Amino acid sequence: KQEVTQIPAALSVPEGENLVLNCSFTDSAIYNLQWFRQDPGKGLTSLLLIQSSQREQTSGRLNASLDKSSGRSTLYIAASQPGDSATYLCAATQGGSEKLVFGKGTKLTVNP
Amino acid sequence: AAGVIQSPRHLIKEKRETATLKCYPIPRHDTVYWYQQGPGQDPQFLISFYEKMQSDKGSIPDRFSAQQFSDYHSELNMSSLELGDSALYFCASSYRTSGPSYNEQFFGPGTRLTVL
Repeated sequence: KQEVTQIPAALSVPEGENLVLNCSFTDSAIYNLQWFRQDPGKGLTSLLLIQSSQREQTSGRLNASLDKSSGRSTLYIAASQPGDSATYLCAATQGGSEKLVFGKGTKLTVNP
Repeated sequence: AAGVIQSPRHLIKEKRETATLKCYPIPRHDTVYWYQQGPGQDPQFLISFYEKMQSDKGSIPDRFSAQQFSDYHSELNMSSLELGDSALYFCASSYRTSGPSYNEQFFGPGTRLTVL
């Protein structure tokens, strides 16, 4: 059974700082891993998808990496802005299934 | 670009009532997923459909049922509602064709169900 853990649970940084969010998963037989952003009471916005054969994906100031052998993924945010404040969720598929198993998220606060 | 559409956006029901949530996937997407997110919780997978057939099932209560129609939209039917069913219900869609999907799931804005 896939289990996804995110560390830290909360993070507060000053504007402009580069930061890394961590995600670990127990079942390496994944199809893909997705990073999402969720604002309070709102929906899930997909940020990046890394397929199992890929090592990293980039979109603007975001870079996500995937290491299946160690069961880890990181989301790197460059030059953070107050608008980046949100909860970031990591989700991995479970072996043999396309369903996403979510971590509990990292709540990011970027202070002006 | 077209996104996943969910209706209604908000729904208030009494205990023991029935609710129907609708999901319209992104055009040409053939797979629909339903997730439930309780207050302060991470989303939990309920059920999915590929080409109108159930493809996977998670922790969906027996009181809930779902189906995907010929136009690929999906409905989640919830009966004998309980207070604990109050949650945000997300629908997601992806394009799978055949075999396992390595493709991105795109989420709708969710339906917030409140059971009183």
